[in-house]
Amino acid sequence: GENVEQHPSTLSVQEGDSAVIKCTYSDSASNYFPWYKQELGKRPQLIIDIRSNVGEKKDQRIAVTLNKTAKHFSLHITETQPEDSAVYFCAAAGGGNKLTFGTGTQLKVEL
Amino acid sequence: KAGVTQTPRYLIKTRGQQVTLSCSPISGHRSVSWYQQTPGQGLQFLFEYFSETQRNKGNFPGRFSGRQFSNSRSEMNVSTLELGDSALYLCASSSQTSGGTDTQYFGPGTRLTVL
Repeated sequence: GENVEQHPSTLSVQEGDSAVIKCTYSDSASNYFPWYKQELGKRPQLIIDIRSNVGEKKDQRIAVTLNKTAKHFSLHITETQPEDSAVYFCAAAGGGNKLTFGTGTQLKVEL
Repeated sequence: KAGVTQTPRYLIKTRGQQVTLSCSPISGHRSVSWYQQTPGQGLQFLFEYFSETQRNKGNFPGRFSGRQFSNSRSEMNVSTLELGDSALYLCASSSQTSGGTDTQYFGPGTRLTVL
């Protein structure tokens, strides 16, 4: 089955800096890659997603890049703010709605 | 539109008991997926229901089961509870307008504690 690895497990940045979280997947049939943000005690919220026919997608301060050949995708957050502090999860799916999640990255944005 | 709702939000059970959790998807959404979230294992897929049929299944024992009703509401049941079943159970709904993978929106979860 699909396996998704996520790094780093924790990330601390200064406010205004950029943050990058990386994920690799194992199943070449995967074609959908969402990123979720989960604040403490809250539900995971989709922040951006990308499909395999696209190499990059941006939404304001957030961008995701996908390298199908290397089977990895990354989340980029620019101009980080304290409210970006949360756990971020990457996931992969290859048809159907079975998401395989990475282990999460605890992002801390320090003032 | 109202978001995904789950009831109850918190549950405390003892070993050996059984429990039923409920999920109401976003109006118009026909697919409901269930996930278990624990500190040790992270987010793991349990199963997905679409049009009252189980379409995908994760690697959980048969004690975990589910169903979907004609209005797309879904329930999951865990029988013979074990301490390791303590977790946050999340459901997610998607519209399933395409044949592939659709965006999933999560509910707030049910926090199950097994004593």
